[in-house]
Amino acid sequence: GNSVTQMEGPVTLSEEAFLTINCTYTATGYPSLFWYVQYPGEGLQLLLKATKADDKGSNKGFEATYRKETTSFHLEKGSVQVSDSAVYFCALSWNRQFYFGTGTSLTVIP
Amino acid sequence: SAVISQKPSRDICQRGTSLTIQCQVDSQVTMMFWYRQQPGQSLTLIATANQGSEATYESGFVIDKFPISRPNLTFSTLTVSNMSPEDSSIYLCSVVDRAGNEQFFGPGTRLTVL
Repeated sequence: GNSVTQMEGPVTLSEEAFLTINCTYTATGYPSLFWYVQYPGEGLQLLLKATKADDKGSNKGFEATYRKETTSFHLEKGSVQVSDSAVYFCALSWNRQFYFGTGTSLTVIP
Repeated sequence: SAVISQKPSRDICQRGTSLTIQCQVDSQVTMMFWYRQQPGQSLTLIATANQGSEATYESGFVIDKFPISRPNLTFSTLTVSNMSPEDSSIYLCSVVDRAGNEQFFGPGTRLTVL
């Protein structure tokens, strides 16, 4: 079946540190992959996406590359800011079905 | 993309009462969903809201507890019936784009049941 496994949190980083949140997936076909972000008290917002192998999604300094060989879609940012504190969800879609990871809480301290 | 609004944004309710949450989309969409996000948890799909027919519920969710209406392609409601403190959650409406590849979320309704 299809599923998403992402790194458990919480993650606490100092401002300007490097961020990696791991995400791996299991899929029966060739899914699209997403990262969503949920800021405190808000709904989910699409952060970035990739629709095929080797695609790189990027937005607001965040990047993730669709790696078919390792079935991964790790989220990275070179220098985090306090305003990046949020919960991050990895997700996949296949055949109009959507699957979400459990979310990783990130706190960035000044 | 789709712009989704939900009302109310938050509410505090008494045990045993019911609350209806509204979801409005700025464009016609085929696929619309309702999710629950319990405190500190990921998303759990409650049901798919089908236009003009009964909603399709996921395992563990029933129509008597979570009746859903979908009168047209831009609007849906979710009612949380006979509430208990365990229903305290964020309830999220979402839609899928025409291609079926991307999902958009409303801002959520934060429900607290006392």
